[in-house]
Amino acid sequence: NAGVTQTPKFRVLKTGQSMTLLCAQDMNHEYMYWYRQDPGMGLRLIHYSVGEGTTAKGEVPDGYNVSRLKKQNFLLGLESAAPSQTSVYFCASGLARASGKLFFGSGTQLSVL
Amino acid sequence: GENVEQHPSTLSVQEGDSAVIKCTYSDSASNYFPWYKQELGKGPQLIIDIRSNVGEKKDQRIAVTLNKTAKHFSLHITETQPEDSAVYFCAASSNDYKLSFGAGTTVTVRA
Repeated sequence: NAGVTQTPKFRVLKTGQSMTLLCAQDMNHEYMYWYRQDPGMGLRLIHYSVGEGTTAKGEVPDGYNVSRLKKQNFLLGLESAAPSQTSVYFCASGLARASGKLFFGSGTQLSVL
Repeated sequence: GENVEQHPSTLSVQEGDSAVIKCTYSDSASNYFPWYKQELGKGPQLIIDIRSNVGEKKDQRIAVTLNKTAKHFSLHITETQPEDSAVYFCAASSNDYKLSFGAGTTVTVRA
């Protein structure tokens, strides 16, 4: 049972490049989330999904897009990367009936030059 | 939206002493308050949580207290050990699926 798996673990991009971060969970969780973690700012919610085929904006959605075509996967896309998107990105998932109890992946360190 | 403030940002304690982290929240509708621990190079992990109908909850050396009137809650770690060194995040939620996190507290336990 792998839990929440994020790929890749590290990535360096040039300004303007695009990329997709993949999150996969094998716990049959309904809810999935993408957070970014920056020094002194805690974890900020980018986008989230409460079920397959649904997505919604969090508190810092600009510059990112997401898709949840399958229940177990949640993709985060950067269409045109900017240095301000240099961060550590965490995916999380949770059960609808266990509100707020999130399981996090190990993170993706992204640097945009 | 919900605003969660967390203090202190860093905390250094002698092994065996207690550590206390405090958080305040702004949304009076918040009813769920979890605490997460993040070890170096890993994702956050839930260590304890409390709902608004409870004032205190304890799990071995960890306890959380909630004061709904003052809108603040605290994490207490007793008899600290080196493995307690980590970043701790408080969070608050007023619904079933969105958490607002504090900025985090880096705890260092000195041997």
